[in-house]
Amino acid sequence: QIQLVQSGPELKKPGESVKISCKASGYTFTNYGMYWVKQAPGQGLQYMGWINTETGKPTYADDFKGRFVFFLETSASTAYLQINNLKNEDMATYFCARRGFDYWGQGVMVTVSS
Amino acid sequence: DVVMTQTPVSLSVSLGGQVSISCRSSQSLVHNNGNTYLSWYLQKPGQSPQLLIYKVSNRFSGISDRFSGSGSGTDLTLKISRVEPDDLGVYYCGQGTQYPPTFGSGTKLEIK
Repeated sequence: QIQLVQSGPELKKPGESVKISCKASGYTFTNYGMYWVKQAPGQGLQYMGWINTETGKPTYADDFKGRFVFFLETSASTAYLQINNLKNEDMATYFCARRGFDYWGQGVMVTVSS
Repeated sequence: DVVMTQTPVSLSVSLGGQVSISCRSSQSLVHNNGNTYLSWYLQKPGQSPQLLIYKVSNRFSGISDRFSGSGSGTDLTLKISRVEPDDLGVYYCGQGTQYPPTFGSGTKLEIK
């Protein structure tokens, strides 16, 4: 069955970096792009962008240009989200979702606290 | 960006009852190819969103026929009939017709 399994919760300080993984199984990884979605505490869903899993080309939504990086380890069917220079407003749960938003990872809660 | 407005913000229903959730978009969701890329999701407490309905009215794999989607253009609706305890959570509409994809702010369903 199709699964997206993400890494565990993270506790970071402002200014640090965090790397979140999303491992896909049950389908051909390179056939579907991977989306990233942010959900701040008690808030709705915000699209962050996507990565073309065939070419590795990332596309970032306007609010996520600069400190956010999408990349792949194709041999491991894994997509990554890295957030650099963490800020308080980055505290949220981050989801990966297959193109079409048909399958979602379980989410990774990132806590930013000094 | 396309703004998705969901109403109501919350609603309470008795088990076995029926509810409707409205989603209105700031622009038509009809794509140049004729498809309307409007989906509905349910986020149960502590879980990730799950796809219920895609392209307005198509139920995703394994989704009960108690869930139905309808509408066109800018005015879409999700109907849930014979509500069960497992239906509680927050329902989101989302559009994929215009880039970037955007979501409504959610409708919280509570069971009386």
